[in-house]
Amino acid sequence: IVLTQSPGTLSLSPGERATLSCRASQSVSSSSLAWFQHKPGQAPRLLIYGASNRATGIPDRFSGSGSGTDFILTINRLEPEDFAVYYCQHYGSISRTFGQGTKVDIK
Amino acid sequence: EVQLLESGGGLVQPGGSLRLSCAASGFTFTSSAMTWVRQAPGKGLEWVSTSGSSGTTYYADSVKGRFTISRDNSKNTLYLQMNSLRAEDTAVYFCAKDEFIPAARTEDWGQGTLVTVSS
Repeated sequence: IVLTQSPGTLSLSPGERATLSCRASQSVSSSSLAWFQHKPGQAPRLLIYGASNRATGIPDRFSGSGSGTDFILTINRLEPEDFAVYYCQHYGSISRTFGQGTKVDIK
Repeated sequence: EVQLLESGGGLVQPGGSLRLSCAASGFTFTSSAMTWVRQAPGKGLEWVSTSGSSGTTYYADSVKGRFTISRDNSKNTLYLQMNSLRAEDTAVYFCAKDEFIPAARTEDWGQGTLVTVSS
């Protein structure tokens, strides 16, 4: 399964809404789709699992939705600490795939 | 508190070998699936390998036949034996703990260890 994220880069201002897309090459179970945030020099941070469940300690401005082949990560009211690279990931039965990432940078 | 501490990274020549370790604490290691993920310079995240709690192992095509994941449950330690290393294996390697109930997720990560393959 190939995951294609769009856009590659999203330039926004603090306070704006970010909408990130993740499209799978074939239909996947919603329970197998996760979103991560990654900043340079840090470990990846799980944001969303099961397509729409926020991980422990994740603020409610982060939300995930979607099913089948199309999934969305929405970040409402961007905070300065939200500028980072975001990846979707599919958990397959014998392998896993990350999307290529969407960079959210400051406009 | 879950803690994952990677070690063993460094500079190695092409064709060489290296073994990474991940010391785990704060959870029941024996019943946890564990995963290695890497990030090459300027690239995105790439899944490398997973060791299921039962010992079943899975590998990305890019490392199959060259890398071996293993675990020592008596030492709460995960390993990644990397052989026939190539320049494209240069990356920061992260160790992570998987959960599958109620859905698959990887919530706990180490800080990573850098592997550089170069002559």
